[in-house]
Amino acid sequence: DSGVTQTPKHLITATGQRVTLRCSPRSGDLSVYWYQQSLDQGLQFLIHYYNGEERAKGNILERFSAQQFPDLHSELNLSSLELGDSALYFCASSVGGTGANVLTFGAGSRLTVL
Amino acid sequence: GEDVEQSLFLSVREGDSSVINCTYTDSSSTYLYWYKQEPGAGLQLLTYIFSNMDMKQDQRLTVLLNKKDKHLSLRIADTQTGDSAIYFCAEKNTNAGKSTFGDGTTLTVKP
Repeated sequence: DSGVTQTPKHLITATGQRVTLRCSPRSGDLSVYWYQQSLDQGLQFLIHYYNGEERAKGNILERFSAQQFPDLHSELNLSSLELGDSALYFCASSVGGTGANVLTFGAGSRLTVL
Repeated sequence: GEDVEQSLFLSVREGDSSVINCTYTDSSSTYLYWYKQEPGAGLQLLTYIFSNMDMKQDQRLTVLLNKKDKHLSLRIADTQTGDSAIYFCAEKNTNAGKSTFGDGTTLTVKP
């Protein structure tokens, strides 16, 4: 157990729907990152939050949004889902955001859009 | 922007050494990492190297960094079947929070 908890582990939904993925970071970590892992695009950075504030945005679609709450857990909201959104979504956490900043990953949420 | 490239597949025999290679483009990369992903699991840090180092050794793992060529390698000595996994190279610069990952190298170890 890495200490980073992601729910749900698996999710199957239909095109056009909306889902929310949840992440609880490792105790003491202030930064949360979301990554998307798909077969054809590898591991893509989506967004980074530090202590409730957005710090960096990557290739995140406008249909996707995220936030980090005061208790430091984070949610990734995916709306108007398309077949191509099917992927593994990883949350990772770290103590800060600068320096060596080793990431601790959760086990991922596997989203299947039918 | 940053880009990290790795070969996609490597197959070795049990007991041999494995060498996984990675190239990156960002000359301001300060930290370079190797992560391992086993089936059904998230990525787990194996080791990382600071950009002012040429080499780092940790038990069976040896990391070599050629900063001039922006080339990073991971050598696994005496490779075991339990080493079969996907290995990701990643880089970040000191002021950025995010790490940029390669697409991963799938290592298959045959008995």
